[in-house]
This record gives sequence, C-alpha cells and structure tokens, in this order.
Amino acid sequence: QKEVEQNSGPLSVPEGAIASLNCTYSDRGSQSFFWYRQYSGKSPELIMSIYSNGDKEDGRFTAQLNKASQYVSLLIRDSQPSDSATYLCAVRLSGGYNKLIFGAGTRLAVHP
Amino acid sequence: ETGVTQSPTHLIKTRGQQVTLRCSSQSGHNTVSWYQQALGQGPQFIFQYYREEENGRGNFPPRFSGLQFPNYSSELNVNALELDDSALYLCASSFPGTRNNEQFFGPGTRLTVL
Repeated sequence: QKEVEQNSGPLSVPEGAIASLNCTYSDRGSQSFFWYRQYSGKSPELIMSIYSNGDKEDGRFTAQLNKASQYVSLLIRDSQPSDSATYLCAVRLSGGYNKLIFGAGTRLAVHP
Repeated sequence: ETGVTQSPTHLIKTRGQQVTLRCSSQSGHNTVSWYQQALGQGPQFIFQYYREEENGRGNFPPRFSGLQFPNYSSELNVNALELDDSALYLCASSFPGTRNNEQFFGPGTRLTVL
C-alpha cells in the first residue's frame, strides 16, 4: 500500500465548475497535509496546508481533512483554464523531521 | 516566487560522471530539503539539512550526498551517475518555527544522464 494515494486522472471539468481532488494516506499519526500545484515543466507551488479536522478556505480553494478516515481533499470553486495543472498531495508523517511524502498527483484539465 | 533559487536550470551528464547542484534558501529559512522527481511521479525525499547537519535521509544510496553552508545554502552531489538519475531535482526551504513547517520549492534542476 502506498503511503499517499491520489487518482492520477485526468480529471476534466468545465470552466466555472467545482473541481474535487482527493487523497488518502496510510500513516494514522500524520500531522500536517499540503496541496501543491505543479504546472508542466515547473516546480510545485504550495496552495494550502491543513492540520486540523474540518475545512480550511483560501479564496477559491478549500482543503478538507478527515483524520479518522485518513482522507484529505481539495475543492477548487469556479474552476478556470489556468487551474489546469497537476495537483500533488503531500503528508508530513508522525515523529522525526520535516519529511514530506507525496502522492503521484492528479492531473486536472479545465476546459472552456 | 518563493525566494528559493537553484542552479543550474538544466544539466546533461553521461553515466559515471559526478554532478553538483546548488540551492539558496528563502531568507530566514534554516532548513533545506532535497527531492527527486521522476517524470509522472511525485517528488521523493532525498535528505534534509538543518544547521549544516544532515537531519534525515530517504531511501537513496550513499552516492547521493549533500552539504549545507553557514548562510543556509546547500549542495546536492551525486557520484557515479546512472541513467535512472535523470529527473527534476528540487530543493525546498522551510523554517521549523512555523506551525505547519511549510516547505517552499525552488524552480528545480533538470538533470539528464545519457
């Protein structure tokens, strides 16, 4: 079982719709969770971080965390073609240093 | 822009050669982590440096080594290059005092091994 799992996609949504990206993780003691956006040929860019159960909103982005289900998601409201990218879920494991474990990413395509 | 810089941007080497990649962290960040990202995969943790010492290491062989300098900049050295070392190498800086200890990535170095 992979430590962090994401659906590889592509997830295709029309412009203006809500895109829902999901991630599950295996380490129940994981403390912090991150969503990065990565455009083709570029490096990952931090969008959101979350460490408490529930929702965290930042502009058009909402991160949702459910530690009991070991599940974290990212909602993108009013999706725009410029949101088309690969979204990486990352988890900081319990204990030790600041090592992030990444999923393989979900490719999002927003079509006009 | 994250304030994290990396050099060079691209590099082409042949099998068996050695390579050094460089990273300057964001101002005020004293921790640097290095990741390898193969095509179509998420970044894989190589190691982390905090206050000039290796603070943790992923599942990479000893031919991957690093340094951190007093100004918190860092180097990643890879000896005896193999074809599978072709990847995007990312460094990320962070400051342990923040609640989520967020990591911010530089633009990366694309290494091609022929």
